[in-house]
Amino acid sequence: KAGVTQTPRYLIKTRGQQVTLSCSPISGHRSVSWYQQTPGQGLQFLFEYFSETQRNKGNFPGRFSGRQFSNSRSEMNVSTLELGDSALYLCASSRGRSGTQYFGPGTRLLVL
Amino acid sequence: QKEVEQDPGPLSVPEGAIVSLNCTYSNSAFQYFMWYRQYSRKGPELLMYTYSSGNKEDGRFTAQVDKSSKYISLFIRDSQPSDSATYLCAMTAGGGNKLTFGTGTQLKVEL
Repeated sequence: KAGVTQTPRYLIKTRGQQVTLSCSPISGHRSVSWYQQTPGQGLQFLFEYFSETQRNKGNFPGRFSGRQFSNSRSEMNVSTLELGDSALYLCASSRGRSGTQYFGPGTRLLVL
Repeated sequence: QKEVEQDPGPLSVPEGAIVSLNCTYSNSAFQYFMWYRQYSRKGPELLMYTYSSGNKEDGRFTAQVDKSSKYISLFIRDSQPSDSATYLCAMTAGGGNKLTFGTGTQLKVEL
């Protein structure tokens, strides 16, 4: 069974631009969660989607948004990029609303 | 103060040693506890998943949870150079998939 896939793997943007990241969960998994990982703050929860609805949200500004499609694939968008948004963005999928989460390889975003 | 505290290391041990990794937490609502391993430039990989207090063993790995002390541990027996990675503890109160992570402990197992 294929694992969680994320595209693109690497991205370079400049301040003020916006970016969209994509995540395809493991087949049969309906929950997708997004996390930001930085050296200073570690892994921080962004939001969770289940059956196309946002179920939980972390403490991030409104510039960070997401959505989930009917096939469970998810996208995350960051608008008006700031230097501090440079991070590894990880997506995790789970079969249900609580349970084992499996992570993808991440998208490494660099904001210049 | 962070909800989950974890010593960042680095921790360096000789091959074959028993490794002990630990996390403390402050939120008594946490019920589900996980350990993830993360190699450089990779996503976290789930190692152990436990519910509430007690021990769980899987091969060379043993996870312990002491909810009364708000303390969890991961033991690695017969450590190998391939165990060199960052180990992250994570926990959740349940009712959703919002994980709270420790900052990770960097482990190096030397030949």
